[in-house]
Amino acid sequence: AQKVTQAQTEISVVEKEDVTLDCVYETRDTTYYLFWYKQPPSGELVFLIRRNSFDEQNEISGRYSWNFQKSTSSFNFTITASQVVDSAVYFCALSEAGTNAGKSTFGDGTTLTVKP
Amino acid sequence: EAGVVQSPRYKIIEKKQPVAFWCNPISGHNTLYWYLQNLGQGPELLIRYENEEAVDDSQLPKDRFSAERLKGVDSTLKIQPAELGDSAVYLCASSLGRGAGAQETQYFGPGTRLLVL
Repeated sequence: AQKVTQAQTEISVVEKEDVTLDCVYETRDTTYYLFWYKQPPSGELVFLIRRNSFDEQNEISGRYSWNFQKSTSSFNFTITASQVVDSAVYFCALSEAGTNAGKSTFGDGTTLTVKP
Repeated sequence: EAGVVQSPRYKIIEKKQPVAFWCNPISGHNTLYWYLQNLGQGPELLIRYENEEAVDDSQLPKDRFSAERLKGVDSTLKIQPAELGDSAVYLCASSLGRGAGAQETQYFGPGTRLLVL
Protein backbone atom coordinates (compact mmCIF):
# COMPACT_ATOMS: atom_id res chain seq x y z
CA ALA A 1 0.00 0.00 0.00
CA GLN A 2 1.12 3.52 -0.70
CA LYS A 3 1.61 6.01 2.08
CA VAL A 4 2.55 9.67 2.29
CA THR A 5 3.71 11.22 5.55
CA GLN A 6 3.90 14.93 6.20
CA ALA A 7 5.25 14.98 9.72
CA GLN A 8 4.90 18.74 10.17
CA THR A 9 1.29 19.48 11.00
CA GLU A 10 1.76 23.22 11.38
CA ILE A 11 4.60 25.61 10.67
CA SER A 12 4.69 29.30 11.49
CA VAL A 13 7.33 31.65 10.12
CA VAL A 14 7.84 35.36 9.80
CA GLU A 15 7.74 36.93 6.37
CA LYS A 16 10.99 36.64 4.38
CA GLU A 17 12.11 33.56 6.23
CA ASP A 18 12.84 30.40 4.25
CA VAL A 19 10.75 27.35 5.10
CA THR A 20 10.95 23.69 4.11
CA LEU A 21 7.97 21.36 4.09
CA ASP A 22 8.86 17.69 4.43
CA CYS A 23 7.27 14.79 2.57
CA VAL A 24 8.19 11.13 2.96
CA TYR A 25 6.51 8.44 0.93
CA GLU A 26 6.25 4.66 0.78
CA THR A 27 5.59 2.61 -2.33
CA ARG A 28 6.59 -0.71 -3.84
CA ASP A 29 6.19 0.62 -7.36
CA THR A 30 9.26 1.48 -9.40
CA THR A 31 7.32 3.98 -11.49
CA TYR A 32 5.29 6.58 -9.68
CA TYR A 33 4.62 10.30 -9.57
CA LEU A 34 4.89 12.83 -6.81
CA PHE A 35 2.93 16.05 -6.51
CA TRP A 36 2.65 19.11 -4.35
CA TYR A 37 -0.61 21.02 -4.05
CA LYS A 38 -1.47 24.25 -2.25
CA GLN A 39 -4.86 24.66 -0.59
CA PRO A 40 -5.62 28.27 0.34
CA PRO A 41 -8.55 29.16 2.61
CA SER A 42 -10.85 29.21 -0.42
CA GLY A 43 -10.54 25.42 -0.47
CA GLU A 44 -9.42 24.69 -4.00
CA LEU A 45 -6.29 22.59 -4.35
CA VAL A 46 -3.84 24.31 -6.65
CA PHE A 47 -1.31 22.18 -8.51
CA LEU A 48 2.30 23.23 -7.91
CA ILE A 49 4.54 20.51 -9.32
CA ARG A 50 4.67 16.96 -10.65
CA ARG A 51 7.76 14.78 -10.60
CA ASN A 52 8.16 11.24 -11.92
CA SER A 53 10.21 8.61 -10.13
CA PHE A 54 12.92 8.56 -12.77
CA ASP A 55 13.69 12.24 -12.57
CA GLU A 56 15.60 13.16 -9.44
CA GLN A 57 16.71 16.50 -10.74
CA ASN A 58 15.77 19.25 -8.33
CA GLU A 59 13.54 21.97 -9.64
CA ILE A 60 13.28 25.67 -8.94
CA SER A 61 10.38 27.87 -9.87
CA GLY A 62 10.73 31.39 -8.61
CA ARG A 63 10.71 31.26 -4.81
CA TYR A 64 9.73 27.57 -4.84
CA SER A 65 12.13 24.66 -5.04
CA TRP A 66 11.76 20.93 -4.69
CA ASN A 67 14.28 18.35 -3.55
CA PHE A 68 13.51 14.79 -4.64
CA GLN A 69 15.70 12.11 -3.08
CA LYS A 70 14.76 8.57 -4.02
CA SER A 71 17.31 7.10 -1.61
CA THR A 72 15.40 8.52 1.35
CA SER A 73 11.95 8.45 -0.29
CA SER A 74 11.55 12.14 0.27
CA PHE A 75 10.19 14.99 -1.81
CA ASN A 76 10.67 18.18 0.16
CA PHE A 77 9.40 21.62 -0.76
CA THR A 78 11.19 24.85 0.10
CA ILE A 79 9.78 28.36 -0.07
CA THR A 80 12.45 31.02 -0.12
CA ALA A 81 11.72 34.47 1.28
CA SER A 82 8.21 33.51 2.34
CA GLN A 83 5.32 35.92 1.94
CA VAL A 84 1.99 36.26 3.70
CA VAL A 85 0.25 35.00 0.54
CA ASP A 86 2.08 31.70 0.96
CA SER A 87 -0.11 30.94 3.99
CA ALA A 88 -2.08 27.82 3.12
CA VAL A 89 -2.23 24.09 3.62
CA TYR A 90 0.26 22.23 1.46
CA PHE A 91 -0.30 18.63 0.41
CA CYS A 92 2.15 16.12 -0.92
CA ALA A 93 0.67 13.30 -3.02
CA LEU A 94 1.87 10.05 -4.55
CA SER A 95 0.26 8.60 -7.67
CA GLU A 96 0.51 5.19 -9.21
CA ALA A 97 1.37 4.62 -12.83
CA GLY A 98 0.31 1.99 -15.32
CA THR A 99 -3.21 0.62 -15.12
CA ASN A 100 -3.82 2.50 -11.88
CA ALA A 101 -2.67 5.82 -13.28
CA GLY A 102 -4.51 8.54 -11.43
CA LYS A 103 -4.86 6.65 -8.17
CA SER A 104 -3.43 9.12 -5.69
CA THR A 105 -2.56 9.00 -2.03
CA PHE A 106 -2.34 12.31 -0.21
CA GLY A 107 -0.56 13.23 2.99
CA ASP A 108 -2.50 14.99 5.72
CA GLY A 109 -1.03 18.33 4.81
CA THR A 110 1.13 20.96 6.48
CA THR A 111 -0.49 24.22 7.50
CA LEU A 112 1.90 27.06 6.82
CA THR A 113 1.31 30.42 8.43
CA VAL A 114 3.47 33.33 7.33
CA LYS A 115 3.23 36.30 9.65
CA PRO A 116 3.98 39.84 8.51
CA GLU B 1 -10.08 28.33 -19.73
CA ALA B 2 -12.66 27.55 -17.06
CA GLY B 3 -11.61 25.32 -14.21
CA VAL B 4 -13.50 22.51 -12.54
CA VAL B 5 -16.91 23.73 -11.46
CA GLN B 6 -18.75 22.36 -8.45
CA SER B 7 -22.09 23.15 -6.93
CA PRO B 8 -23.33 23.84 -4.43
CA ARG B 9 -20.40 25.32 -2.52
CA TYR B 10 -22.11 24.75 0.82
CA LYS B 11 -24.89 22.46 1.94
CA ILE B 12 -26.51 21.99 5.33
CA ILE B 13 -28.93 19.13 5.78
CA GLU B 14 -30.41 17.06 8.57
CA LYS B 15 -29.32 13.49 9.01
CA LYS B 16 -31.21 10.88 7.01
CA GLN B 17 -31.89 13.41 4.25
CA PRO B 18 -30.53 12.88 0.73
CA VAL B 19 -27.99 15.22 -0.82
CA ALA B 20 -26.40 15.55 -4.25
CA PHE B 21 -23.27 17.29 -5.50
CA TRP B 22 -22.57 18.27 -9.07
CA CYS B 23 -19.27 18.58 -10.90
CA ASN B 24 -18.37 19.86 -14.35
CA PRO B 25 -14.78 19.03 -15.28
CA ILE B 26 -12.41 21.03 -17.43
CA SER B 27 -13.43 20.81 -21.07
CA GLY B 28 -11.69 17.91 -22.79
CA HIS B 29 -10.77 16.11 -19.60
CA ASN B 30 -11.80 12.48 -19.80
CA THR B 31 -10.94 11.45 -16.25
CA LEU B 32 -13.01 12.65 -13.34
CA TYR B 33 -12.42 12.04 -9.63
CA TRP B 34 -14.51 12.50 -6.51
CA TYR B 35 -12.64 12.90 -3.25
CA LEU B 36 -13.68 13.20 0.37
CA GLN B 37 -11.68 15.54 2.59
CA ASN B 38 -12.18 15.46 6.33
CA LEU B 39 -11.00 18.34 8.46
CA GLY B 40 -7.25 18.27 8.97
CA GLN B 41 -6.71 15.46 6.50
CA GLY B 42 -5.78 15.03 2.88
CA PRO B 43 -8.28 14.11 0.17
CA GLU B 44 -9.30 10.48 -0.10
CA LEU B 45 -10.46 9.06 -3.40
CA LEU B 46 -14.08 7.92 -3.56
CA ILE B 47 -14.44 7.13 -7.24
CA ARG B 48 -12.61 7.64 -10.52
CA TYR B 49 -14.19 7.76 -13.96
CA GLU B 50 -12.60 7.26 -17.34
CA ASN B 51 -15.20 8.86 -19.60
CA GLU B 52 -18.49 7.35 -18.39
CA GLU B 53 -16.95 4.23 -16.86
CA ALA B 54 -16.24 4.01 -13.14
CA VAL B 55 -12.78 2.40 -13.18
CA ASP B 56 -12.14 2.60 -9.44
CA ASP B 57 -14.97 2.77 -6.91
CA SER B 58 -13.39 0.55 -4.28
CA GLN B 59 -13.49 3.30 -1.64
CA LEU B 60 -17.07 4.36 -2.31
CA PRO B 61 -19.46 3.31 0.51
CA LYS B 62 -22.01 1.81 -1.81
CA ASP B 63 -24.69 1.34 0.80
CA ARG B 64 -25.38 5.06 0.85
CA PHE B 65 -23.21 6.68 -1.80
CA SER B 66 -23.75 6.60 -5.52
CA ALA B 67 -22.29 8.45 -8.47
CA GLU B 68 -22.94 8.79 -12.13
CA ARG B 69 -21.34 10.33 -15.19
CA LEU B 70 -23.85 9.48 -17.83
CA LYS B 71 -22.46 11.29 -20.87
CA GLY B 72 -18.85 11.23 -19.85
CA VAL B 73 -18.80 14.92 -19.00
CA ASP B 74 -20.38 16.21 -15.81
CA SER B 75 -20.98 14.01 -12.81
CA THR B 76 -23.22 13.77 -9.77
CA LEU B 77 -22.36 12.29 -6.39
CA LYS B 78 -25.27 11.39 -4.13
CA ILE B 79 -25.60 10.40 -0.50
CA GLN B 80 -28.82 8.81 0.70
CA PRO B 81 -29.40 8.85 3.59
CA ALA B 82 -26.79 11.23 4.98
CA GLU B 83 -25.22 10.53 8.37
CA LEU B 84 -23.52 12.87 10.81
CA GLY B 85 -20.15 11.41 9.88
CA ASP B 86 -20.59 12.46 6.26
CA SER B 87 -19.87 16.07 7.18
CA ALA B 88 -16.80 16.92 5.13
CA VAL B 89 -15.66 18.63 1.95
CA TYR B 90 -16.36 16.79 -1.27
CA LEU B 91 -13.84 17.61 -3.97
CA CYS B 92 -14.07 16.95 -7.66
CA ALA B 93 -11.01 16.83 -9.90
CA SER B 94 -10.35 16.13 -13.54
CA SER B 95 -7.41 15.22 -15.75
CA LEU B 96 -6.83 14.69 -19.43
CA GLY B 97 -6.78 10.90 -19.17
CA ARG B 98 -4.50 9.70 -21.92
CA GLY B 99 -5.04 6.13 -20.89
CA ALA B 100 -3.14 3.48 -18.97
CA GLY B 101 0.51 4.29 -18.50
CA ALA B 102 0.01 8.00 -18.57
CA GLN B 103 -0.07 9.95 -15.39
CA GLU B 104 -2.11 13.09 -15.63
CA THR B 105 -2.09 16.04 -13.35
CA GLN B 106 -5.37 16.45 -11.51
CA TYR B 107 -7.05 19.82 -11.37
CA PHE B 108 -9.41 20.39 -8.50
CA GLY B 109 -12.64 22.28 -8.07
CA PRO B 110 -13.42 24.44 -5.01
CA GLY B 111 -15.32 21.64 -3.30
CA THR B 112 -18.70 21.33 -1.63
CA ARG B 113 -18.68 21.73 2.13
CA LEU B 114 -21.36 19.48 3.63
CA LEU B 115 -22.67 19.80 7.16
CA VAL B 116 -25.04 17.13 8.42
CA LEU B 117 -26.99 18.08 11.55
